[in-house]
Amino acid sequence: AQSVTQPDIHITVSEGASLELRCNYSYGATPYLFWYVQSPGQGLQLLLKYFSGDTLVQGIKGFEAEFKRSQSSFNLRKPSVHWSDAAEYFCAVAPNTGNQFYFGTGTSLTVIP
Amino acid sequence: ETGVTQSPTHLIKTRGQQVTLRCSSQSGHNTVSWYQQALGQGPQFIFQYYREEENGRGNFPPRFSGLQFPNYSSELNVNALELDDSALYLCASSLVGHRYEQYFGPGTRLTVT
Repeated sequence: AQSVTQPDIHITVSEGASLELRCNYSYGATPYLFWYVQSPGQGLQLLLKYFSGDTLVQGIKGFEAEFKRSQSSFNLRKPSVHWSDAAEYFCAVAPNTGNQFYFGTGTSLTVIP
Repeated sequence: ETGVTQSPTHLIKTRGQQVTLRCSSQSGHNTVSWYQQALGQGPQFIFQYYREEENGRGNFPPRFSGLQFPNYSSELNVNALELDDSALYLCASSLVGHRYEQYFGPGTRLTVT
């Protein structure tokens, strides 16, 4: 069965510091991979996605993620965090057949001045 | 800006009652998916509708049902509410052929007492 693991429930970083949020997935083949961000009272916003090709993908708001097949990972990074990045971040996978998305349990990001 | 709207924003129901949640998809989007997000968890896929037919379902019992209308608005109906149904319910719309480009609404917070 497909599953997504986000091992860090909560992360605190200083504004201007770099950020890496971890995501590991379990799936028989390479699924489609996504990162979403959720601010309080808001729906999920797509940050970036990976379908195939270049394993380093760029997203919105200065985020990037790297797909590593050997580690079944799709970690999200940002070189310099802004206070407005404080939110809940979800990694998701979708099999390349079917309609179901599988989400991780999320990582809550706090940014301190 | 996603253009997906949901109503109501908040709802309180009693165990055993029935509830209907509504979603208005982004213009032109003919596929809608519904998700349940329990507190502290990632969204879980309930089902997807395309052309007014159910087009995939997650691990939810039949008391969770849906409708999609020709104007691409949709409803999620839950019968015989249980305390564990308390959650944020999210809908997401997408275009057929771009089903992985999901645009989420802000959600409806359902509390069952």
